[in-house]
Amino acid sequence: GAVVSQHPSWVICKSGTSVKIECRSLDFQATTMFWYRQFPKQSLMLMATSNEGSKATYEQGVEKDKFLINHASLTLSTLTVTSAHPEDSSFYICSARDKGKETQYFGPGTRLLVL
Amino acid sequence: DAKTTQPPSMDCAEGRAANLPCNHSTISGNEYVYWYRQIHSQGPQYIIHGLKNNETNEMASLIITEDRKSSTLILPHATLRDTAVYYCIVPPTGGFKTIFGAGTRLFVKA
Repeated sequence: GAVVSQHPSWVICKSGTSVKIECRSLDFQATTMFWYRQFPKQSLMLMATSNEGSKATYEQGVEKDKFLINHASLTLSTLTVTSAHPEDSSFYICSARDKGKETQYFGPGTRLLVL
Repeated sequence: DAKTTQPPSMDCAEGRAANLPCNHSTISGNEYVYWYRQIHSQGPQYIIHGLKNNETNEMASLIITEDRKSSTLILPHATLRDTAVYYCIVPPTGGFKTIFGAGTRLFVKA
């Protein structure tokens, strides 16, 4: 149990385009989902916290208009990187917290390369 | 949220126990200690968590000191596949945002 999936697992796009990444909790309901970004040889950096049915809370320094987060259901959150640039190339990881529990479960990550 | 301190790296021989320490001296009474690991190019994997008592599951054991200011993750028989970065985390109560530190890079050697 407690499986989180992400799609796509990797994506290459041209500079200026938008990319959508999906995060799904497959066997549990997630009232809260988190989005992280990880650069090579660094730890995970929290970007935003997403609660089902409400607006996401962004960490300091993360542009909410550039990283659009939607958490429309208890099993799905999406992150859209708008007008992507090469510096947005990174490993994006989502996590989901099981409803009523404290433990977070992480997705396998999405590797984004912006050319 | 309580900060954690971990050694940057550790080595372990295959088949031996790997003992990974974590200091969380500012932990408050109702905050849990969580351990995750991240194998290269993958998302973090949940290992174990505990509050006060020692915990054991199929992956590892968690030993928490009586004053709760530190803990040790024990992999009883490390294998090469246990080579990963191990993160000790104390999320704030209520399940709010989890902040990752640098973790401990464990190298299991044949």
